[in-house]
Amino acid sequence: DVVMTQTPVSLSLAIGQPASISCKSSQSLLGTSGKTFLNWILQRPGQSPKRLIYQVSKLYSEVPDRFSGSGSETEFTLKISRVEAEDLGVYYCWQGTHFPFTFGSGTKLEIK
Amino acid sequence: QIQLVQSGPELKKPGESVKISCKASGYTFTDYAMNWVKQAPGNGLKWMGWINTQTGKPTYADDFKQRFVFSLETSASTAYLQINNLNIEDTATYFCTKWDYYSEGFDYWGQGVMVTVSS
Repeated sequence: DVVMTQTPVSLSLAIGQPASISCKSSQSLLGTSGKTFLNWILQRPGQSPKRLIYQVSKLYSEVPDRFSGSGSETEFTLKISRVEAEDLGVYYCWQGTHFPFTFGSGTKLEIK
Repeated sequence: QIQLVQSGPELKKPGESVKISCKASGYTFTDYAMNWVKQAPGNGLKWMGWINTQTGKPTYADDFKQRFVFSLETSASTAYLQINNLNIEDTATYFCTKWDYYSEGFDYWGQGVMVTVSS
């Protein structure tokens, strides 16, 4: 199985500060279609996960543009340009290139 | 709007079975596959597999091939997860999540069902 490694485990940031979360995969996530199926989701406290980013860098329509994703092959990054209160929760990367789909262990974002 | 509404929490004893539901609304149920994801307490997320909502064919991840059954009631736009011969390690929240063929990812999630297995 593809192992997804996220760092840091947790972040504590003030409102307005930037955030950066790393996600590394044990195998390349570049698929035979030429697409890279690396996704990001956010699980707020007590809630189910919500979609954020698909195929490395594409934001779902409702996601604010302070979020961005980048990377290729095995190294990926989620950035928040300026953290807001509603951004708290656990961020997970997950890959959909190889079966079984696998998730990172999560990065908990706390607001100072 | 698209919604996945799951059934309520369950408390079961080891060896029993449980069947949880995921009712979809706001889209054509048979147009999109349904996936299931497990989240054990304090743990991350684990993909269990998916079911083709057109054919009813399930595909299970290796760890979920033995006691887990995905099924459908398409007339009710509902997917089911049954877990047989429950053990303590099955204590978790189980999410259904809709597959999106455009993004090729999970676009909507149910609220989750907490299953507690305790003697």
